[in-house]
Amino acid sequence: ETGVTQSPTHLIKTRGQQVTLRCSSQSGHNTVSWYQQALGQGPQFIFQYYREEENGRGNFPPRFSGLQFPNYSSELNVNALELDDSALYLCASSRPGGGNYGYTFGSGTRLTVV
Amino acid sequence: GQQVMQIPQYQHVQEGEDFTTYCNSSTTLSNIQWYKQRPGGHPVFLIQLVKSGEVKKQKRLTFQFGEAKKNSSLHITATQTTDVGTYFCAGFGGAGSYQLTFGKGTKLSVIP
Repeated sequence: ETGVTQSPTHLIKTRGQQVTLRCSSQSGHNTVSWYQQALGQGPQFIFQYYREEENGRGNFPPRFSGLQFPNYSSELNVNALELDDSALYLCASSRPGGGNYGYTFGSGTRLTVV
Repeated sequence: GQQVMQIPQYQHVQEGEDFTTYCNSSTTLSNIQWYKQRPGGHPVFLIQLVKSGEVKKQKRLTFQFGEAKKNSSLHITATQTTDVGTYFCAGFGGAGSYQLTFGKGTKLSVIP
């Protein structure tokens, strides 16, 4: 079975720009969550998608938005980038039933905002 | 909001020594999960605990969930260099909560 794949692996953007990160979920997984992990910190929940709808959101501003597609892949969009948005962005997918069986994480996208 | 705290933040052990990390939540958890993140890697799911007082073992790793479902621990017996990494606990809040809240993790270094 394929795992969770994320693209790109690294990205450098300028403050104020917009960015789109992509994620393909593991085969058989229909729920996708996005996390932001700052250096030396634990992952912080951004939001979760199930059946193409956002069904949970953490403490992130509206300039963080997402999509889930019929094939369960997902995008994370961040508008008006700020320096503090520099972090590792992790996508995680899970089986039907949500995270009760554990999440499978992708390798992440390292975003640097300059 | 829900907070999950882990101690210690760092732990250096000699290979062969035991290691324990503790996790405490500000609220009662429906379940708790443990993940391991190797340096430069991504979190990898280790286990989920659901029942009050539950204890689960995976080879040298022992996981416990507290009776009040607000705390948990991970104990590694006779550490090996392959155990190096950061161990995170993460919990869901009440019924219907989709937000998995992670602790800051415990970074384990093993000295050969």
